[in-house]
Amino acid sequence: AQSVAQPEDQVNVAEGNPLTVKCTYSVSGNPYLFWYVQYPNRGLQFLLKYITGDNLVKGSYGFEAEFNKSQTSFHLKKPSALVSDSALYFCAVRDIGGYQKVTFGTGTKLQVIP
Amino acid sequence: GAVVSQHPSRVICKSGTSVKIECRSLDFQATTMFWYRQFPKQSLMLMATSNEGSKATYEQGVEKDKFLINHASLTLSTLTVTSAHPEDSSFYICSAIASAGRNTEAFFGQGTRLTVV
Repeated sequence: AQSVAQPEDQVNVAEGNPLTVKCTYSVSGNPYLFWYVQYPNRGLQFLLKYITGDNLVKGSYGFEAEFNKSQTSFHLKKPSALVSDSALYFCAVRDIGGYQKVTFGTGTKLQVIP
Repeated sequence: GAVVSQHPSRVICKSGTSVKIECRSLDFQATTMFWYRQFPKQSLMLMATSNEGSKATYEQGVEKDKFLINHASLTLSTLTVTSAHPEDSSFYICSAIASAGRNTEAFFGQGTRLTVV
């Protein structure tokens, strides 16, 4: 069975500082990995994905994520945080077979402090 | 990116009544749609996987007779909460995967806040 772990419930970072939101995964084969962001009372917005290729994936709003196979990690990063980045972030892994079910992590609340 | 529209965004209903939530893919065909439930400050819990023209596959612990899912076309799936009770109050989110390209991301609706009084 596939799973995703986000070890931090909340991450606080000062505006302008780099941010990292951690994610580790467990899958039986090659992973399809995703990051989504959720604002209050809204659905999820896609940020970026890793399917294959370069380990550093660039996505929306200046976010990027680094795929590390040996550490089974897919941490989300941004060089300079904005107050508007404050939201709930979900890491997800997708089953590449069957019905392609997406399994989400528990989410990490990012708080960017002005 | 592709657009998934979910309606209504908010609904309040009386206990014992049924509520239907619609999920539409506006600019792509979705052979597979997913329904999630999200409790406050928690992650998304997959309720069921819906494939066009076939019966939905429910996750363990989800009552299929209570949460009726219909996926009649490649652009529309509906979730009906039957005989709703206050404990069904939650945030329900649908997502859809385009039929072309197995490595595409899932796109999400904006969610429906259901309150049962």
